[in-house]
Amino acid sequence: DGGITQSPKYLFRKEGQNVTLSCEQNLNHDAMYWYRQDPGQGLRLIYYSQIVNDFQKGDIAEGYSVSREKKESFPLTVTSAQKNPTAFYLCASSRPPGQGTDTQYFGPGTRLTVL
Amino acid sequence: GQNIDQPTEMTATEGAIVQINCTYQTSGFNGLFWYQQHAGEAPTFLSYNVLDGLEEKGRFSSFLSRSKGYSYLLLKELQMKDSASYLCAVMDSNYQLIWGAGTKLIIKP
Repeated sequence: DGGITQSPKYLFRKEGQNVTLSCEQNLNHDAMYWYRQDPGQGLRLIYYSQIVNDFQKGDIAEGYSVSREKKESFPLTVTSAQKNPTAFYLCASSRPPGQGTDTQYFGPGTRLTVL
Repeated sequence: GQNIDQPTEMTATEGAIVQINCTYQTSGFNGLFWYQQHAGEAPTFLSYNVLDGLEEKGRFSSFLSRSKGYSYLLLKELQMKDSASYLCAVMDSNYQLIWGAGTKLIIKP
C-alpha cells in the first residue's frame, strides 16, 4: 500500500530540547511539505521541498529545520528556538506543483506537546 | 493579503443536505481543494475544482465560481460519520496552498 507515515504519533518534549519528527512516503512524489495546525486556524506551511537536496522556507519557518537527502524522507526538527512548539504537525506529499492535479496527501500527523 | 473565509461551525440533521461555503481572495488561482478532517486525524482529500461549475462525487459535490471567488461543498444524505471539519484550500500563483480555518460540521440524529 502506498502512503505517508509519520512517527511518533504523540511526542512530549521538555523546554530547551530539540526534537525530530519523521516523515516517509512511498508514493514516488517529488514534493513534500510540513504544516503546523493550531486550534481555530488554517494549516500553516513550515517548509517544503520540490526535489531532493532542495527545500524552501514557508510562512513560519523560524525555529524549524529540515533536510531532504532522499526522495522518500523529509524529517522536521523543532529546535529550542521555536517559541511555541506545542501543535499538531502534518506532513504531506504531492506531484511537483504545476503538473496537473497537485493534490497533497497527508500523513497521520504528530502531536507535539512541550512540557 | 491572501484570505480564505468559511463558517466556523454548522449543524445539520442526519439524512439532510448541507452546503458549506468558502470565499477566497488570493494572488492568482490554480485550483480549489476541499478536504475532510476528523478530530485528531489528518485531512483527507475530497474534491478539486479548477474550472467553473459543479463536480459531483457520490454524496459530495463541489461548486466553483472563479469570477466571484466562491466555492461550496454540498453534502447530501448526511450520515453521522460526516461529522468532521471541512477545509477549503486555494492554490495560488506560486502553487502554494492557502488554507481556510475549516468548518466544523455537527450532525444530529
